[in-house]
Amino acid sequence: DTEVTQTPKHLVMGMTNKKSLKCEQHMGHRAMYWYKQKAKKPPELMFVYSYEKLSINESVPSRFSPECPNSSLLNLHLHALQPEDSALYLCASSWRDSLGQPQHFGDGTRLSIL
Amino acid sequence: AQSVTQPDIHITVSEGASLELRCNYSYGATPYLFWYVQSPGQGLQLLLKYFSGDTLVQGIKGFEAEFKRSQSSFNLRKPSVHWSDAAEYFCAVINTGTASKLTFGTGTRLQVTL
Repeated sequence: DTEVTQTPKHLVMGMTNKKSLKCEQHMGHRAMYWYKQKAKKPPELMFVYSYEKLSINESVPSRFSPECPNSSLLNLHLHALQPEDSALYLCASSWRDSLGQPQHFGDGTRLSIL
Repeated sequence: AQSVTQPDIHITVSEGASLELRCNYSYGATPYLFWYVQSPGQGLQLLLKYFSGDTLVQGIKGFEAEFKRSQSSFNLRKPSVHWSDAAEYFCAVINTGTASKLTFGTGTRLQVTL
């Protein structure tokens, strides 16, 4: 069982919808991450939060809007997505945003854009 | 920038046979290296990590990896594979220019025959 919990597990949405992905961890980790993973590809980093502040944005389109309301919770707000945004979205956390800290992953949200 | 290469896209082994998955990295200094495993429909699980010290590292589920600086390699091994080991395996390196940025290899899919 993973210690990083992501909801929902599956999400189907139209291109005009607004939805949110949620990620939660209770390990006391102060760094949290969003990754996008297309089929048969490795995960690609999207965002990094350190102490609830956005520290890295990998040039992600503005239709993806991250939010870190507290140290345990990370959201990804979705709006006006495109079919190519269909993917597995993975959340991860680590003790701190520092060199060598292993990242712990959730099981992901599989997103399908109609 | 650092990178990792996994030369084998797909490997098939018989249950009970030994396993070696290859990973090569490109980086001038000692890298921070990881192996992750991803079962179908799930997130990534950390198998083991190498930062410094003993070049043979032990991980979970009976896996080990050996860091060889002369060959720029960090190969994953298991003496006897179980059918449940069938999964996708990713080698990853920390980009020391940005402490939290994991760079993944393209992955190796392991199939286990009974």
